[in-house]
Amino acid sequence: DIQMTQSPSSLSASVGDRVTITCRASQTIGSYLNWYQQKPENAPKLLIYAASSLQTGVPSRFSGSGSGTDFTLTISSLQPEDFATYYCQQSYSTPRTFGQGTKVEIK
Amino acid sequence: QITLKESGPTLVKPTQTLTLTCTFSGFSLSTSGVGVGWIRQPPGKALEWLALIYWDDDKRYSPSLKSRLTISKDTSKNQVVLIMTNMDPVDTATYYCAHTKAGLMYGFDIWGQGTVVTVSS
Repeated sequence: DIQMTQSPSSLSASVGDRVTITCRASQTIGSYLNWYQQKPENAPKLLIYAASSLQTGVPSRFSGSGSGTDFTLTISSLQPEDFATYYCQQSYSTPRTFGQGTKVEIK
Repeated sequence: QITLKESGPTLVKPTQTLTLTCTFSGFSLSTSGVGVGWIRQPPGKALEWLALIYWDDDKRYSPSLKSRLTISKDTSKNQVVLIMTNMDPVDTATYYCAHTKAGLMYGFDIWGQGTVVTVSS
């Protein structure tokens, strides 16, 4: 299985801050990396697919980059509704493993 | 508009078999390029990918659970069924089904609300 490691596991930030979350794959996965946002008691929501493609309806303050083994999710200006847990997922091979999550909390 | 909804028992006993149904609308699993997957999330923990079935009946399983899982589709009913045998308390989780497209570049774009399954005697 490909292991996905996110860092940090949690972070505290203020509204308006620029936030960066990193995801590293245990082997190369090309650009086959997705990012999800999950709020408490809700299903995950797809934000970014194929490393940098913004899912329809997702605000442009979210962006993704990277290829190979190292990937980044950036929120350019954190909004109150962005406080949530974020997961990366590789879709390069079965099983399509998820990272352990990064919780973004209010500072 | 694509929607998915999971259904099944909320409580199962250890060693029993769990059968979950994902009923969907807004797409057909007979359409080329469409897939439905199952993902679970134990309380307070991360997401775990379980299984995936495509329009052409191609099936993929998590290797660690493959011996216990069976995924199938009923195109006429717009349903996907996941069977998990020999349930254990560690299988307690929220189980989600989700829509995807065939191809490596796509994630799960539409999710069901999830169904909570507790394994306890």
